[in-house]
Amino acid sequence: SQQGEEDPQALSIQEGENATMNCSYKTSINNLQWYRQNSGRGLVHLILIRSNEREKHSGRLRVTLDTSKKSSSLLITASRAADTASYFCATDDAGGTSYGKLTFGQGTILTVHP
Amino acid sequence: ETGVTQSPTHLIKTRGQQVTLRCSSQSGHNTVSWYQQALGQGPQFIFQYYREEENGRGNFPPRFSGLQFPNYSSELNVNALELDDSALYLCASSQRWSEQYFGPGTRLTVT
Repeated sequence: SQQGEEDPQALSIQEGENATMNCSYKTSINNLQWYRQNSGRGLVHLILIRSNEREKHSGRLRVTLDTSKKSSSLLITASRAADTASYFCATDDAGGTSYGKLTFGQGTILTVHP
Repeated sequence: ETGVTQSPTHLIKTRGQQVTLRCSSQSGHNTVSWYQQALGQGPQFIFQYYREEENGRGNFPPRFSGLQFPNYSSELNVNALELDDSALYLCASSQRWSEQYFGPGTRLTVT
């Protein structure tokens, strides 16, 4: 079953614009992670934010986490054509017996036009 | 430092057959997790191995089984293949309780 729901399902922007993707989830979490996937291949880990953190930056990426609303957002600033990919949020759910069982959303397909 | 590798890259099997997929962990990682990703969907957790023991399982039937070896590499076995088993199978390695690093995946087609 999918825990996270991502919004929008698809996003199309011009190079240089910012891209914002949102993720909502249902249960308490240990952490939330964002991944990128190019053309149905392996997932690339982008950033991990722990449940006691509210915001995290990595290069052009900014992630926020609101545990009261059970939601997270990923902002990519000054997007490039190379950012074109599918982006997934994944939650590591608290209270489970297996730490590190990631529950993924269905993803946002980002297209950045040159 | 070598990353996570998976073999084979692509595989075509017939319904009812059995398949074994392989994964080599990133150096220094002791935990391997397997995921199934159907077309257009997010990955779904199959199971996780830590130090050769199964450490959690998702909602998959017993015909999905796995192994982890002393060098922390891993195998995923699927018996009695069904058409719905067609998917991209991803393995991820990690240090326990840390972020997971994914391999490129094995695309399985069941005809």
